[in-house]
Amino acid sequence: GDSVTQMEGPVTLSEEAFLTINCTYTATGYPSLFWYVQYPGEGLQLLLKATKADDKGSNKGFEATYRKETTSFHLEKGSVQVSDSAVYFCALRTAARQLTFGSGTQLTVLP
Amino acid sequence: EAGVTQFPSHSVIEKGQTVTLRCDPISGHDNLYWYRRVMGKEIKFLLHFVKESKQDESGMPNNRFLAERTGGTYSTLKVQPAELEDSGVYFCASSQYTGTAGELFFGEGSRLTVL
Repeated sequence: GDSVTQMEGPVTLSEEAFLTINCTYTATGYPSLFWYVQYPGEGLQLLLKATKADDKGSNKGFEATYRKETTSFHLEKGSVQVSDSAVYFCALRTAARQLTFGSGTQLTVLP
Repeated sequence: EAGVTQFPSHSVIEKGQTVTLRCDPISGHDNLYWYRRVMGKEIKFLLHFVKESKQDESGMPNNRFLAERTGGTYSTLKVQPAELEDSGVYFCASSQYTGTAGELFFGEGSRLTVL
């Protein structure tokens, strides 16, 4: 079945540091890939997505590229801020199936 | 426009008791989903409503869980009787469209603690 494996946390960085959260997947067919974020006290929000190989999703300075050859969708940001502290979830969705999530990565950014 | 709202935000009950979680989707969204995150693990799909009909309930763990969506508006998820392993965060989401084109909008989640 479909599965998502993402980098275990927690991850603690200093402000302006470079961020990478690794995500790899196993899926039947050609999934769409997503990163969701949950800020403290809020619901899950879609951060970015990519629907086909080599697509790059981007939002709020975050980027992730759909790599079919390595079945990966790593999340990156060049300079994190304190306000980026949250839990990040990688997810996939294939046609006619539901979202499959990874286990989440807690990110804490220190000033 | 109001987002997806869930109630209660946190519930603490004893093993064997009953709890009912409620979800109000975004107005006009026919698709409603329930997901659960247990003990910091991955968020897992429970079920999907299209209007008042259960489209997919393959993720429901057992018959102690009962989901309803009468009238195709809000939904309830009842756990009866609750067990320790039911503790976790229950997320509700809604979408206007079905399939990969339909972006899911999630609520803040209802945290359930079973003692």
